[in-house]
Amino acid sequence: DGGITQSPKYLFRKEGQNVTLSCEQNLNHDAMYWYRQDPGQGLRLIYYSQIVNDFQKGDIAEGYSVSREKKESFPLTVTSAQKNPTAFYLCASSIVDNSYEQYFGPGTRLTVT
Amino acid sequence: DQQVKQNSPSLSVQEGRISILNCDYTNSMFDYFLWYKKYPAEGPTFLISISSIKDKNEDGRFTVFLNKSAKHLSLHIVPSQPGDSAVYFCAASAEGANNLFFGTGTRLTVIP
Repeated sequence: DGGITQSPKYLFRKEGQNVTLSCEQNLNHDAMYWYRQDPGQGLRLIYYSQIVNDFQKGDIAEGYSVSREKKESFPLTVTSAQKNPTAFYLCASSIVDNSYEQYFGPGTRLTVT
Repeated sequence: DQQVKQNSPSLSVQEGRISILNCDYTNSMFDYFLWYKKYPAEGPTFLISISSIKDKNEDGRFTVFLNKSAKHLSLHIVPSQPGDSAVYFCAASAEGANNLFFGTGTRLTVIP
């Protein structure tokens, strides 16, 4: 079954701790994306990567970091510098030639207290 | 600044009737528009799209209409079914861009 997996589904952390959210895809897509969703807002792009070992900042990259060491994996680290980390995080992937149609994972809800 | 807007946070429709979800955008460079559907605790799934060179695209019960002069698009679902109950996101992109701009979503409830 091809798809995108994100783990864990729910994550709780204390303020001041870094936390890494996992995203894996077996769709053979070159491009991967991280979005954040807050109540009453649309999805906002954090980072994206079109190829291994390369990634670009999205609209709200501050306080986040990513890596793309493998085509299948695009982990997101929420650092202590992110002022409002509590949110729903969605990972997506697409073929590079059609970045419009993105396939999403089930999301990770991060709560920082 | 929200470039894609969905001004109705929720919509309730009787089963069998038409559901019309609306979306407005501000960026005239957008040339491709999509609708995504999201069930609770799941990621959004692609539903239907339209290029700016068209004004209508139909796929089964789903039709998207684009009015470029008004910077407005709408999704029509007919007939509506209870399984259509979900949050619907409108998204847009500009040629050469690498990301989608999403609206805030409209929660559709189809009443049996």
